[in-house]
Amino acid sequence: DAGVIQSPRHEVTEMGQEVTLRCKPISGHDYLFWYRQTMMRGLELLIYFNNNVPIDDSGMPEDRFSAKMPNASFSTLKIQPSEPRDSAVYFCASSLGTGVEKLFFGSGTQLSVL
Amino acid sequence: GIQVEQSPPDLILQEGANSTLRCNFSDSVNNLQWFHQNPWGQLINLFYIPSGTKQNGRLSATTVATERYSLLYISSSQTTDSGVYFCAVPPYRGSARQLTFGSGTQLTVLP
Repeated sequence: DAGVIQSPRHEVTEMGQEVTLRCKPISGHDYLFWYRQTMMRGLELLIYFNNNVPIDDSGMPEDRFSAKMPNASFSTLKIQPSEPRDSAVYFCASSLGTGVEKLFFGSGTQLSVL
Repeated sequence: GIQVEQSPPDLILQEGANSTLRCNFSDSVNNLQWFHQNPWGQLINLFYIPSGTKQNGRLSATTVATERYSLLYISSSQTTDSGVYFCAVPPYRGSARQLTFGSGTQLTVLP
């Protein structure tokens, strides 16, 4: 399996612009997670989905952040408008749905908002 | 929420040495996972170990759930073991899938 695939690997944008991050989970995994990693706050869970349905978005920092999962093989995390404090590495991860399973991460998207 | 403490925060070893990393958590858990973040930023799942002991090559992990700690052992360390090691547990009264990450142990293995 190709693992969790994220794009782009790097994104540089200017403040106020819309940013869209993309993720393809491992085939057959029922759970998809979006995490953000910063030096100050470490790894934080933003939102997670089960069978394409958002289960908990309490980690989403502001209304500027939104996430969708239109089908089992694709999810997006959108920031609109972006701000410099959104600069971070954003990770997507997925896991199987049977019981509690290991979490597998993508390579991350390094976002820089200037 | 649940508190996760990892120690030591930093560790420098000579290649070939053994090490033990510790993860303490404040509440009972039914899910504990160890991850390695390599110098290129990739997060690799090492173990899913809510209790007991598991081994994978030179790495092994033990979780004593009743005493709220987990240990990660690295034997005969190699330079490729360098990076940050995280343990992660779910929040108290939350979904077992919502992992809270510790602040990590930064390991540097010198040739």
